[in-house]
Amino acid sequence: DAKTTQPTSMDCAEGRAANLPCNHSTISGNEYVYWYRQIHSQGPQYIIHGLKNNETNEMASLIITEDRKSSTLILPHATLRDTAVYYCIVKGSSNTGKLIFGQGTTLQVKP
Amino acid sequence: GAVVSQHPSRVICKSGTSVKIECRSLDFQATTMFWYRQFPKKSLMLMATSNEGSKATYEQGVEKDKFLINHASLTLSTLTVTSAHPEDSSFYICSASRMERGPGSYTFGSGTRLTVV
Repeated sequence: DAKTTQPTSMDCAEGRAANLPCNHSTISGNEYVYWYRQIHSQGPQYIIHGLKNNETNEMASLIITEDRKSSTLILPHATLRDTAVYYCIVKGSSNTGKLIFGQGTTLQVKP
Repeated sequence: GAVVSQHPSRVICKSGTSVKIECRSLDFQATTMFWYRQFPKKSLMLMATSNEGSKATYEQGVEKDKFLINHASLTLSTLTVTSAHPEDSSFYICSASRMERGPGSYTFGSGTRLTVV
C-alpha cells in the first residue's frame, strides 16, 4: 500500500473551514484514499473515502487531485468537537486488507 | 450504522496474569477483524489480522504466543494478553470490516485501556 505524508499539526478557528492536506504520490490505480479521525482515547472514526472523484458526505468533503497524488479533507465549519488526529490512508479495494496508520495530523480547533 | 463493541473499556491486572478483550460486531457480520495497540501520543500499530475460523496473521515483531487471538464467529474476536507485564500496558483497539460492502469503511471499537501493575 502506498505511503502518505501529512503535516504533523494544524490549527483552525471555530466556524471556519479546516483543510487537511495529504500527499500520496505513489498511489496506484486501484487504491482508494481513506480518511479517519481519532478523538482522544477513543477508537478511530471513519470520515470519508474516494478513488478519483471528489466526494462529499454529512461530515466532510474529499478533494482528490487529477493525478491522484494528493488530496484534501475539508471540514466546512469546524467545531471544537472536531479537535482530533486525522489520518489519511491509502488502501486497495479489498475489504479484508489492512488499514495502516501513519502519524496523522493533529487538528486543534480554537474558539 | 455499523457498530463494533469492545469490552472491557478499562482493565487493571497484576503482572503475570492474563487478560481477555472482546470485540463484537453488533449489527453486521465481519469478514475480517483487526487488532491494534497504541502507546501514548503515538499512532495505531497493527498487531494482527483475523478471519473467522482460521488462525490469525500476526505482524512482524508481534509475539503470537503472548497475544492470543481467537475469531470464533463472524461477529466475535477475542485478544488475550497472556502473562501480562507492565510493558504490555497500552490502548488496544479492534476493527471489523463488513462482509457485504465493497471498498467501504472499517468500523472500530472504542478501545480497551490495559494497565498492568
